[in-house]
Amino acid sequence: AQKVTQAQTEISVVEKEDVTLDCVYETRDTTYYLFWYKQPPSGELVFLIRRNSFDEQNEISGRYSWNFQKSTSSFNFTITASQVVDSAAYFCALSEAWSGGGADGLTFGKGTHLIIQP
Amino acid sequence: GAGVSQSPSNKVTEKGKDVELRCDPISGHTALYWYRQSLGQGLEFLIYFQGNSAPDKSGLPSDRFSAERTGGSVSTLTIQRTQQEDSAVYLCASSLVPPGQLNSPLHFGNGTRLTVT
Repeated sequence: AQKVTQAQTEISVVEKEDVTLDCVYETRDTTYYLFWYKQPPSGELVFLIRRNSFDEQNEISGRYSWNFQKSTSSFNFTITASQVVDSAAYFCALSEAWSGGGADGLTFGKGTHLIIQP
Repeated sequence: GAGVSQSPSNKVTEKGKDVELRCDPISGHTALYWYRQSLGQGLEFLIYFQGNSAPDKSGLPSDRFSAERTGGSVSTLTIQRTQQEDSAVYLCASSLVPPGQLNSPLHFGNGTRLTVT
């Protein structure tokens, strides 16, 4: 069975601080996909990134970066120089190989509520 | 306790037929969301209910789609005159309070896989 754990239910930082959101996953598959989504107050889920289990290269996109470590089954997300607009809930998710990276068999963590104070 | 329950888990229907998807959120959760995931696509937000009201219905892909929520609990997503492009996994989620407020993690159901033949 798959499991995604986001131990931090809420994080509050002051603007311009760096913040890391943790994600730990469990799966028996050797091939799987990991995702991060952002949920702003509007309710929609905004796709941020998808990585497959064979690509451990860390990725940076502007102020966002992701650290994928299979050895610790973690896929952590860091926001550098946080801004008020980054305030949202963030969800880590895992899907199995047979889904082809889609929503079939998608398991979400409970989410981390990030508050950026001005 | 019980999580978000969706039914049916799988639905195969013929093009042109109507389908109804059901979501039973966690008891006491005021916010309810519908998303869908088409093959190879990201999650698509459809609609969000706060109580029985949907503040924004613009995410519904066409007028063949409608959703309602009664008693602040169960929600149904109805697709009329289904088309093949409607084939997707439809996910429902609920949260205790509206998005953006504290302690509002999303709890997702297992989804309904809809196949339109």
